[in-house]
Amino acid sequence: DVKVTQSSRYLVKRTGEKVFLECVQDMDHENMFWYRQDPGLGLRLIYFSYDVKMKEKGDIPEGYSVSREKKERFSLILESASTNQTSMYLCASSNAVAYEQYFGPGTRLTVT
Amino acid sequence: SQQGEEDPQALSIQEGENATMNCSYKTSINNLQWYRQNSGRGLVHLILIRSNEREKHSGRLRVTLDTSKKSSSLLITASRAADTASYFCATDPYNNNDMRFGAGTRLTVKP
Repeated sequence: DVKVTQSSRYLVKRTGEKVFLECVQDMDHENMFWYRQDPGLGLRLIYFSYDVKMKEKGDIPEGYSVSREKKERFSLILESASTNQTSMYLCASSNAVAYEQYFGPGTRLTVT
Repeated sequence: SQQGEEDPQALSIQEGENATMNCSYKTSINNLQWYRQNSGRGLVHLILIRSNEREKHSGRLRVTLDTSKKSSSLLITASRAADTASYFCATDPYNNNDMRFGAGTRLTVKP
């Protein structure tokens, strides 16, 4: 059974803190993605990666960075959290030839 | 702005009725996908239709694609209360694996 896990379901951080969101997949997928989901805006792509140590900016990369040191793990980093980064963060993965994405359960991040 | 736009934003029906959701997009695509999201959870892939296909079925789901109108529809037949969820369309506007999602249709099926 395919599985994408995210490190936390709920997270509360203070403004200015550095925040790490971890995502791990066990399907040996090449592609991994980070989205944020906000009411009325749907899912917006932050960053994605096609391979280890590779990263590509999505539509809203400002204020975020990513790290992919191992194939199965894709981390999203908020260098200095701000209140406008309060959101649901979703990680997904897919293999190199198929478009179907598998999603983790999401991390609801609140920045106070 | 979003690549895909679902319509309507919200839909409420009785159990047993059919539910139709629409998706419009802006650029040429290789494929279009539909996903379901139960409240507060991750998305689950439902069905993929390629740009050279016009219709596809999967159980109670029927998806159509009209590339000339840049639109797709998802039909759920004989709906059940368990179909209550948000439904999203996703497309590949850059012809690679990074998909773009719409804002979703919130479907409520009343028992």
